[in-house]
Amino acid sequence: QVQLQESGPGLVKPSETLSLTCTVSDYSISSGYYWGWIRQPPGKGLEWIGSVYHSGSTYYNPSLKSRVTISVDTSKNHFSLRLSSVTAADTAVYYCASSTPEDYFDYWGQGTLVTVSS
Amino acid sequence: EIVMTQSPATLSVSPGERATLSCRASQSVNSNLAWYQQKPGQAPRLLIYVASTRAIGIPARFSGSGSGTEFTLTINSLQSEDFAFYYCQQYNSWPLTFGGGTKVEIK
Repeated sequence: QVQLQESGPGLVKPSETLSLTCTVSDYSISSGYYWGWIRQPPGKGLEWIGSVYHSGSTYYNPSLKSRVTISVDTSKNHFSLRLSSVTAADTAVYYCASSTPEDYFDYWGQGTLVTVSS
Repeated sequence: EIVMTQSPATLSVSPGERATLSCRASQSVNSNLAWYQQKPGQAPRLLIYVASTRAIGIPARFSGSGSGTEFTLTINSLQSEDFAFYYCQQYNSWPLTFGGGTKVEIK
């Protein structure tokens, strides 16, 4: 089955850019599938950030669209999230996940906590 | 944006009993609805998709029903490992949206 692992800084300063990478194992990203990012503020529910297809086509949540970039690197078999101009409200556990073309998420990474603080 | 509303926020159930969780969409999502289970400190796990199809490895005591705007997740004969948070998600249209969750706790 597909395995996903998030990596990146656990602490980001306000106004800076949050950058995370999701490394995929046991499946080639170039084979297809959609790849998504979802976040969960401490003690709260889930929020979809956006998704990318192996071809590079992207779909973002309008609430974050102006600050989000999701990209895929098939040569490294990973995909990435960049979220600019972060504030404390962006503090959350960030999950990467694979999704079917229908857009439900069947495999998830373990999640990584990113704290926005000076 | 389609708003997903789950009820109740917390459900207290005794082991061996049945739990019934509700999810309502602000407009029709057809059958494009998934359910996830999340335990503390863990990632969500896909339970149900297309409103009623169990994901690989999910026990038969989990069942989903509904279409349009009203959906139900039923857990028969609750086991100790079933006490967790449950979220619904619509994938009928972008942006993809999740419900606020239902916590199933031991009574």
